[in-house]
Amino acid sequence: DAGITQSPRHKVTETGTPVTLRCHQTENHRYMYWYRQDPGHGLRLIHYSYGVKDTDKGEVSDGYSVSRSKTEDFLLTLESATSSQTSVYFCAIRGTDSYEQYFGPGTRLTVT
Amino acid sequence: TQLLEQSPQFLSIQEGENLTVYCNSSSVFSSLQWYRQEPGEGPVLLVTVVTGGEVKKLKRLTFQFGDARKDSSLHITAAQPGDTGLYLCAGHNSGGSNYKLTFGKGTLLTVNP
Repeated sequence: DAGITQSPRHKVTETGTPVTLRCHQTENHRYMYWYRQDPGHGLRLIHYSYGVKDTDKGEVSDGYSVSRSKTEDFLLTLESATSSQTSVYFCAIRGTDSYEQYFGPGTRLTVT
Repeated sequence: TQLLEQSPQFLSIQEGENLTVYCNSSSVFSSLQWYRQEPGEGPVLLVTVVTGGEVKKLKRLTFQFGDARKDSSLHITAAQPGDTGLYLCAGHNSGGSNYKLTFGKGTLLTVNP
């Protein structure tokens, strides 16, 4: 258990509304990640953070923004949700060994 | 873009059978991880392999990293219904960022009682 929680776990929202997903960790890890998982595409990196206020884009960052104002929280925001952003979103942290990532339980987001 | 191709995409077998799933790339990876994901949950790390030719065992699961560090396999002996899940391989590209993983699309394994 890497001490990662995600909230909410499930959300249904309408097209055009803003949505923020939260990832919280309790073990002071420097690196945090946001992925989305879709059938046929696997896990794709949206954004990642390598420290407080330090973030960078992943392969599918369009339409998403992130913020990290403190070590334990990494927020993912959809400024104006679209149906193509319906997905399962996972947060991950990088463990002490630089190769390994540990995942949260996921947030299932449906945009109608 | 560094790709990891997993095969087969789907696998349905009977309890007690053996199986092997594969993870292949044309690129060299400095390390490779295998994860298992159950429905409604996040992926859980099973193993990390870092040395070409390395073999690791986890109970009935055997993981191998190819000599050239471009491929890996997962062999399950005497599969049980509890082995059902999505198996994902992921790797750090040699010479690339240590901070990011490339994921395969996974093998969905169903073990029938």
